[in-house]
This record gives sequence, structure tokens and C-alpha cells, in this order.
Amino acid sequence: DSGVTQTPKHLITATGQRVTLRCSPRSGDLSVYWYQQSLDQGLQFLIQYYNGEERAKGNILERFSAQQFPDLHSELNLSSLELGDSALYFCASKSLTGDNEQFFGPGTRLTVL
Amino acid sequence: GENVEQHPSTLSVQEGDSAVIKCTYSDSASNYFPWYKQELGKRPQLIIDIRSNVGEKKDQRIAVTLNKTAKHFSLHITETQPEDSAVYFCAANAGGTSYGKLTFGQGTILTVHP
Repeated sequence: DSGVTQTPKHLITATGQRVTLRCSPRSGDLSVYWYQQSLDQGLQFLIQYYNGEERAKGNILERFSAQQFPDLHSELNLSSLELGDSALYFCASKSLTGDNEQFFGPGTRLTVL
Repeated sequence: GENVEQHPSTLSVQEGDSAVIKCTYSDSASNYFPWYKQELGKRPQLIIDIRSNVGEKKDQRIAVTLNKTAKHFSLHITETQPEDSAVYFCAANAGGTSYGKLTFGQGTILTVHP
């Protein structure tokens, strides 16, 4: 167990819908990263937050957004869902120290029908 | 931005043999190179990492080497066991203002046959 939690574990929804994925980082970690893992694209960085502020953005679609709350949990919002959004979504957290290691949560498997 | 290439995409070995997976990166500012192991449906788990000021690091049967000049790094697994079968990802963390985001290679499916 990495100490990072994600809910829900599985999510099945229809095209055009909107979903919210939730992540709680390890205790004390201020940084949260979101990654998308699909069969044909591998692990792709989406977005990073640090202590409530957006710090880095990857190839995140405009239909996707995220935020980090004062208690440091983060939510990834996916809207106008398409079949191609079906993937595993991982969040990871990193400590404040110089150690670069990122600890991954168990992921949320999103299936868009 | 950073680009990480990983080879081979699949690797099949006999138990007890060694396995080598290679990655190249494009951003010379990258300063941190982790390797993750991912079992089917599970989270990626860090197995070893190396920083740009070190050329080699070893942890029991696993070792990583880094050649900064050539911008490539490799994972070496010796005395492979069936439980080493998984997908392995290399990654690079660009330095400067990247704030730790990781760029991953495409992954290598390692199969160790008993």
C-alpha cells in the first residue's frame, strides 16, 4: 500500500457524461500528479498540483480539469466523455523533500460505453 | 518537451537468465530516472531509480546504469524469476521548472518462463 488512495475503483458511464475521480495523497505530501494509462498511449502525464496550485500541465484535454483542495485531496473532472477516454487514471503524490519518488495510487478504471 | 523511448516492447527469457531493458531520453536537463514495475491491473511500483550524478546503482538482483553523454539508461535484472513477469516502465523527470512530472517510456512486457 503506497498510502495514496483513489476512488472509485471502477467507473462505467456513457458517452457525453461527466465524472469526477478523487485522489488523496500520502499524509504530508503536497504534490499530486494525475496520469492517464490507455492501451495505445502508455502512461501519460496530465496535470500536477502543489499545495492547491496548478504547477504543470501535460497533454490534458480541454474537457478535463482538476483541482486540489485545502485538505490536499485532488479531483479530476472529465466531461463530454468519449469512448477514447476509457483508461486507467492514476494519481501519484510526492514528498516535500528533495526525494523525487512518486507514489502511485491504485487507480480508477474508467469505461465509457 | 522530454521524450523517452524504451526497447524492447516485449522480452521473453528463461528463469535464471538475465534481462536488459533500455531507454533513451531527449532532454539533457533530465536529472532523475526511475523504473517502475506494473502487474496487470495494479499500480506502477518503483523498483529502482538513479540520479544524474550517479552512473550505476544496484539493489540485489536489479541494477540500473546511466550514460548521460549518450542520454540512455538501462535496467538489468539478473537471475530472473517467474514473479519478475510484469510490465516495466522507465521514466525521466526533466529538471528545471518541470516540478517533477514524469515522462514514461512505452513499457516492456517481460515474461519469465519457468
